[in-house]
Amino acid sequence: EDQVTQSPEALRLQEGESSSLNCSYTVSGLRGLFWYRQDPGKGPEFLFTLYSAGEEKEKERLKATLTKKESFLHITAPKPEDSATYLCARPSAGTALIFGKGTTLSVSS
Amino acid sequence: DTAVSQTPKYLVTQMGNDKSIKCEQNLGHDTMYWYKQDSKKFLKIMFSYNNKELIINETVPNRFSPKSPDKAHLNLHINSLELGDSAVYFCASSPLLNGELFFGEGSRLTVL
Repeated sequence: EDQVTQSPEALRLQEGESSSLNCSYTVSGLRGLFWYRQDPGKGPEFLFTLYSAGEEKEKERLKATLTKKESFLHITAPKPEDSATYLCARPSAGTALIFGKGTTLSVSS
Repeated sequence: DTAVSQTPKYLVTQMGNDKSIKCEQNLGHDTMYWYKQDSKKFLKIMFSYNNKELIINETVPNRFSPKSPDKAHLNLHINSLELGDSAVYFCASSPLLNGELFFGEGSRLTVL
């Protein structure tokens, strides 16, 4: 069964304190690994898609990387506005994305 | 101009009632979805439509019935509401099957 597991469940950082979020998935023919950001009371917002091991993508203070079994979302020198829940997802055997339970990031100044 | 819009944003109702949530997308996408996000923030697929045809129907009670009158609209009707139906329901669209999803703002349903 396709599964996506994210860790940690929650992460508290000081402003400027870099860290990484992890997303591991069962290997059954990966057809993309997606990262989303969700703010309270809002729908998830697309960040990145990664398709092959070794691929990296960056956006401001965020960098997503992919290996054969997991993906990392690296946050460099975070700011309070980076506080959100970060979700990763992968395509199921059908046509929908399966999501992990998310990592809730809190960045304090 | 909102890409994926849902109405209503909030819905409070009594057990046993029937309610509907509407979704419209102006992105020209062929595929639309309904996801349910529970109190623990876990997003779970409910239904997927491609060109108005049902593609996915996950293990969802028969009380939930989606309807797609055209490619730009996907509505969700819920009969005989139960306490466990309380959640945030998200509509999403995608240009491709298994592609990037564009989500609406969500509809928070509270069943009393």
